[in-house]
Amino acid sequence: SQQGEEDPQALSIQEGENATMNCSYKTSINNLQWYRQNSGRGLVHLILIRSNEREKHSGRLRVTLDTSKKSSSLLITASRAADTASYFCATDPHFQGAQKLVFGQGTRLTINP
Amino acid sequence: DAGVTQSPTHLIKTRGQQVTLRCSPKSGHDTVSWYQQALGQGPQFIFQYYEEEERQRGNFPDRFSGHQFPNYSSELNVNALLLGDSALYLCASSWTTGLHYGYTFGSGTRLTVV
Repeated sequence: SQQGEEDPQALSIQEGENATMNCSYKTSINNLQWYRQNSGRGLVHLILIRSNEREKHSGRLRVTLDTSKKSSSLLITASRAADTASYFCATDPHFQGAQKLVFGQGTRLTINP
Repeated sequence: DAGVTQSPTHLIKTRGQQVTLRCSPKSGHDTVSWYQQALGQGPQFIFQYYEEEERQRGNFPDRFSGHQFPNYSSELNVNALLLGDSALYLCASSWTTGLHYGYTFGSGTRLTVV
């Protein structure tokens, strides 16, 4: 079963605009990770935020985590055509003794030139 | 430095057959996890191997089995294939569990069962 739910399921914006994707999860976690997937290929690890962190930055990426609401957001600033991909959040359910990631269904992001 | 290598990239099998997928982890990684990704869905955890043993297993039937070799490479075997086994199979490697540093994924094997 999938713990995370991404919102929206699909997002289409113009190049240069900012893209925001949200993720909600159900159980307590150790950390939350975001991955990108291009055209059904392998996933690329973008960023990891620990449960005791509230915000993290990496280049044009900004991730927030609200453990009280069990939610996270991924912001991509100044979007580029190359950012077109599916984005997944993944959590490690703390109570299940770790060892695996539970992914959401993803947000399909399209950047229009 | 090679990343995670998976083979083959594409595979077509007939229902009832058996298939073996292979994965070579990134250099320095000792843990291999396998995920199944159906079209339009997020990846689902199959199992993880560490020190040549299955460390944890997801909600998949016994038809799915695996192995890890002393060089940390891994195989995923699926017996008695069903049409529903058609998916992208992803291998992810990490140092220990990968839960604190993230995983490195391969490009996947696209399995089609006809």
